[in-house]
Amino acid sequence: EPEVTQTPSHQVTQMGQEVILRCVPISNHLYFYWYRQILGQKVEFLVSFYNNEISEKSEIFDDQFSVERPDGSNFTLKIRSTKLEDSAMYFCASSVRTGLRSPLHFGNGTRLTVT
Amino acid sequence: AQKITQTQPGMFVQEKEAVTLDCTYDTSDQSYGLFWYKQPSSGEMIFLIYQGSYDEQNATEGRYSLNFQKARKSANLVISASQLGDSAMYFCAMRDDPNFGNEKLTFGTGTRLTIIP
Repeated sequence: EPEVTQTPSHQVTQMGQEVILRCVPISNHLYFYWYRQILGQKVEFLVSFYNNEISEKSEIFDDQFSVERPDGSNFTLKIRSTKLEDSAMYFCASSVRTGLRSPLHFGNGTRLTVT
Repeated sequence: AQKITQTQPGMFVQEKEAVTLDCTYDTSDQSYGLFWYKQPSSGEMIFLIYQGSYDEQNATEGRYSLNFQKARKSANLVISASQLGDSAMYFCAMRDDPNFGNEKLTFGTGTRLTIIP
């Protein structure tokens, strides 16, 4: 069964450094998302992306964050200058279509640790 | 106000018993979708089951079923004949606001289910 692939599985970085989290969504999916989950807490929406532009973003997704689909397969989340509070599990997700019935299919996540 | 409320932070259930995980939601939209996801200790998020607000039948998917009570705004997940592999965190999520482009899922805080042999 096709799946969403995220790399790396674990990233350790120093505060102030830039990180890029990578995702390969399911190939025929058109809608892409990033979520994050701080350890032991709820899963929080960051951003949705469709047709090469952001369709919605949360208040968490400030100027330090950006997303890009540089080619036909990858979907990336960049954090320009990481803070300690950015430490979390970051999930990429995709869905084949819009609409209430379409589930999001999640990757296995990237655990980001900022030291 | 919380859009999705899961009031059980943790549950312990004997193997082979059925278990109900509670979820209530809050929305003013008539059209919405409710989802359940499983998160094992390995961390991935696995889609389990979906219920649409206009679906007349309760959703079922193998051992998973959804007890949907629209008037009460509840969408409880029922797992029949629980297995050790069901031990995981379970999240209820909702997608409302069907305007194009607003497709995000809003998650509850989750219930950690532990199956006891």
